[in-house]
Amino acid sequence: AQSVTQLDSQVPVFEEAPVELRCNYSSSVSVYLFWYVQYPNQGLQLLLKYLSGSTLVKGINGFEAEFNKSQTSFHLRKPSVHISDTAEYFCAVSGKRAAGNKLTFGGGTRVLVKP
Amino acid sequence: GAGVSQSPRYKVAKRGQDVALRCDPISGHVSLFWYQQALGQGPEFLTYFQNEAQLDKSGLPSDRFFAERPEGSVSTLKIQRTQQEDSAVYLCASSLQEGPGGYTFGSGTRLTVV
Repeated sequence: AQSVTQLDSQVPVFEEAPVELRCNYSSSVSVYLFWYVQYPNQGLQLLLKYLSGSTLVKGINGFEAEFNKSQTSFHLRKPSVHISDTAEYFCAVSGKRAAGNKLTFGGGTRVLVKP
Repeated sequence: GAGVSQSPRYKVAKRGQDVALRCDPISGHVSLFWYQQALGQGPEFLTYFQNEAQLDKSGLPSDRFFAERPEGSVSTLKIQRTQQEDSAVYLCASSLQEGPGGYTFGSGTRLTVV
């Protein structure tokens, strides 16, 4: 079984400032790692994923995340945010042998970008 | 269609009423998932289909919840005798093949039980 902890429920940030969203996970097996974004009244959109290889993963909209196996973390970063980045962000894991690779999500981090 | 379509978009049910939520996955997608997202929380896994076979239903919270995908395309999530704690957004996701992370999510059905 897996669990995901997103350490910040809300992150206010000024436009053009950097942002980091923290994610830690727990798992008894090897995992794949994901970040999703959810805009109001919409479904989830994949930002990026770590499957294997380089621990620094680049995604859409200028986001990147780094997998740290020893710290069981997968923090999401963006060097300069825009108003349009206001949304809720979810970290998720999937056990490598899970049927269909079902996802276990964290509780989410709400990002509010202020002008 | 171009994306995963869910209907209805909103559903208000009286406590004790039965409801049926529909998911139209992307044509040809083999894998289909249902998730439940309570207010202010992350989505939680309910059940998984590969074609018409329901391979994992470990997340269904009670025997009032039932899902089917009889022809391997459209799926229906049925909730019998709805209760207030069933109020949530129900998300459907589909994928072309079994594999990590390649899912497309629908916009969800918001169920409110009054």
